[in-house]
Amino acid sequence: DAGVIQSPRHEVTEMGQEVTLRCKPISGHNSLFWYRQTMMRGLELLIYFNNNVPIDDSGMPEDRFSAKMPNASFSTLKIQPSEPRDSAVYFCASSLYIQGRGEAFFGQGTRLTVV
Amino acid sequence: GDSVTQMEGPVTLSEEAFLTINCTYTATGYPSLFWYVQYPGEGLQLLLKATKADDKGSNKGFEATYRKETTSFHLEKGSVQVSDSAVYFCALSGQHGSGNTGKLIFGQGTTLQVKP
Repeated sequence: DAGVIQSPRHEVTEMGQEVTLRCKPISGHNSLFWYRQTMMRGLELLIYFNNNVPIDDSGMPEDRFSAKMPNASFSTLKIQPSEPRDSAVYFCASSLYIQGRGEAFFGQGTRLTVV
Repeated sequence: GDSVTQMEGPVTLSEEAFLTINCTYTATGYPSLFWYVQYPGEGLQLLLKATKADDKGSNKGFEATYRKETTSFHLEKGSVQVSDSAVYFCALSGQHGSGNTGKLIFGQGTTLQVKP
């Protein structure tokens, strides 16, 4: 398996523009996570899905952020409109969570810069 | 709620020195515990894990023991190398059946720098 695949690897956009980050989890995994990493706040869980259903989105900073998982092999994180403070590295991770067990595998991340 | 606390970094060591990175957690029941490593410009990689009390996880010379009595999962390595320079994250996943579905909670990360 190729692992968790994220695209794009780098994104530079202007303030106010819409940004869409994409994630392909490992085939067969049933949980998917979106994290944001910054120097100031470290690694923050934004939202996670189990069997394509959003379980906890309490980490989503505000309504400008939305995430979808239309099927087991694809998820998006959208920011509209983007702001400079959204600049960060966004990671997607997936796991096979069964009976309380299952480690997460991370993608390479998308480095977002909003200017 | 569940939480993980790691020792603050950066930790700077000479090659072949002994490494300890402290990690303690707060959680109900018996969570699963993990150490992840992040090399510059990369995503997080699972380093080792332990799923029940007294388990010892080990990989690449690193090891950590799940201590329920002290709610700790300290990372150790007997002889570090320059190539071990990275950021290390301790994490937990809550006990099954307590409303958890694999959510990982991370500590703040500890930067390790190993000098030749």
